[in-house]
Amino acid sequence: AQTVTQSQPEMSVQEAETVTLSCTYDTSESNYYLFWYKQPPSRQMILVIRQEAYKQQNATENRFSVNFQKAAKSFSLKISDSQLGDTAMYFCAFGHSNSGYALNFGKGTSLLVTP
Amino acid sequence: SAVISQKPSRDICQRGTSLTIQCQVDSQVTMMFWYRQQPGQSLTLIATANQGSEATYESGFVIDKFPISRPNLTFSTLTVSNMSPEDSSIYLCSVSTGDTQYFGPGTRLTVL
Repeated sequence: AQTVTQSQPEMSVQEAETVTLSCTYDTSESNYYLFWYKQPPSRQMILVIRQEAYKQQNATENRFSVNFQKAAKSFSLKISDSQLGDTAMYFCAFGHSNSGYALNFGKGTSLLVTP
Repeated sequence: SAVISQKPSRDICQRGTSLTIQCQVDSQVTMMFWYRQQPGQSLTLIATANQGSEATYESGFVIDKFPISRPNLTFSTLTVSNMSPEDSSIYLCSVSTGDTQYFGPGTRLTVL
């Protein structure tokens, strides 16, 4: 079974600063994908970034980047130049082809960006 | 990506009744998923719904409690049957386009 662990229930960062959210996972699969989703108070789940396990290069989307350490099964999210609109719950998730990419989610990290 | 809508967006129901949640996608997709998010919790997969076949349920979820229909490639329904206050949650549908899932806006259900 796959497990996803987010060890930081809550984090806070000042506007314009950088913050890193941690995620570790456990799997015996070789072909899988990792995701970070954002859920603001509106409850809409928004895809932030995705990473294919077979790619060594870390994914980047504008101010969001990941540090993917496959051997350590670690997948952290870095948010640069934090903005007030980044305030949300952030969920790390794992999916693989054998399950049709159904997702296993971590418990989430609540991020607060302060002025 | 895909544009997904859900109806209703929220509802308040009495215990013992049933509610059917609809999920509509703007394009044809093979796989649709239903998740539950209990208050203050993460998302848990209820079932996977493929068009033309029976839904596949995860451990802890049964068809009698959460019957699912998937009549075509753009639509699915989830029914929450014989509801109790423990069923109060957000229910989200999602679709898989390739290796990535996109989510509907969710249905917030409160059971009194």
